[in-house]
Amino acid sequence: GENVEQHPSTLSVQEGDSAVIKCTYSDSASNYFPWYKQELGKGPQLIIDIRSNVGEKKDQRIAVTLNKTAKHFSLHITETQPEDSAVYFCAASSTDSWGKLQFGAGTQVVVTP
Amino acid sequence: DAGITQSPRYKITETGRQVTLMCHQTWSHSYMFWYRQDLGHGLRLIYYSAAADITDKGEVPDGYVVSRSKTENFPLTLESATRSQTSVYFCASSESGWASGNQPQHFGDGTRLSIL
Repeated sequence: GENVEQHPSTLSVQEGDSAVIKCTYSDSASNYFPWYKQELGKGPQLIIDIRSNVGEKKDQRIAVTLNKTAKHFSLHITETQPEDSAVYFCAASSTDSWGKLQFGAGTQVVVTP
Repeated sequence: DAGITQSPRYKITETGRQVTLMCHQTWSHSYMFWYRQDLGHGLRLIYYSAAADITDKGEVPDGYVVSRSKTENFPLTLESATRSQTSVYFCASSESGWASGNQPQHFGDGTRLSIL
C-alpha cells in the first residue's frame, strides 16, 4: 500500500520568511495530493491540492510542487504570518483507492513575530 | 448550517462501556471516513464507506463498528471501550471520484474521547 513520509516534523520560521514542507510517496499510481492545515482544536482543513497532470499550483501565498519521477511533492508558504502557525499534513491517493487518503505524520509550523 | 458535524465534541466514559460517536454531513457526499488522531501517529483510518450500506475496514478497525443506513450519517461505535481507544476522532466526507478523480475530504471538528 501507499506510504507517505513528511519532513520536517517541526519547523520554526520568522514572520515574513518562507516555509517549505516536503513529502515523498511510494505508490506510483498515486495521482492526487492534497495538503491540510490543522489548527488547535479543529479538524484538518484543505488548503491546496494538486493532481498528477500538473507540476505546480499556486494560491496566493501558498504553492505546491509535484515531481512524479522522484515521487515527491512540497508545500511552499511565502511571507509567513503568525496565523500560518498550525500543523500541516500532506496526503496522497490513487483513483482506485475509494477516496481513501494516506496521510503524512504532520509538520508543526511555528511562525514567530 | 451546511457541512459536516460531529457529536458529542467531548466524551468521558469508562472501560467496558459502549459509546457511539455521531457524524452528519449535509452535502450528500458518497464517501465518508472515520479517523483517529494520536500523538506520534498522525491520522489513521478506522473505517470508511463508499455509499449507504457499503462499509469497509481501514488501517485500525479493531474494537470499532460502523453502520451507514443513510447517506448523511455515519456513526462509529466502540462496543466495549478500552483505555487505548482514548483519542481524538475525526469524521470526513468527500464526493465520489469515479467521474473526475479523487476529491478532497472535508473534516468535522472532532470528538475528544477519554476512557477512564
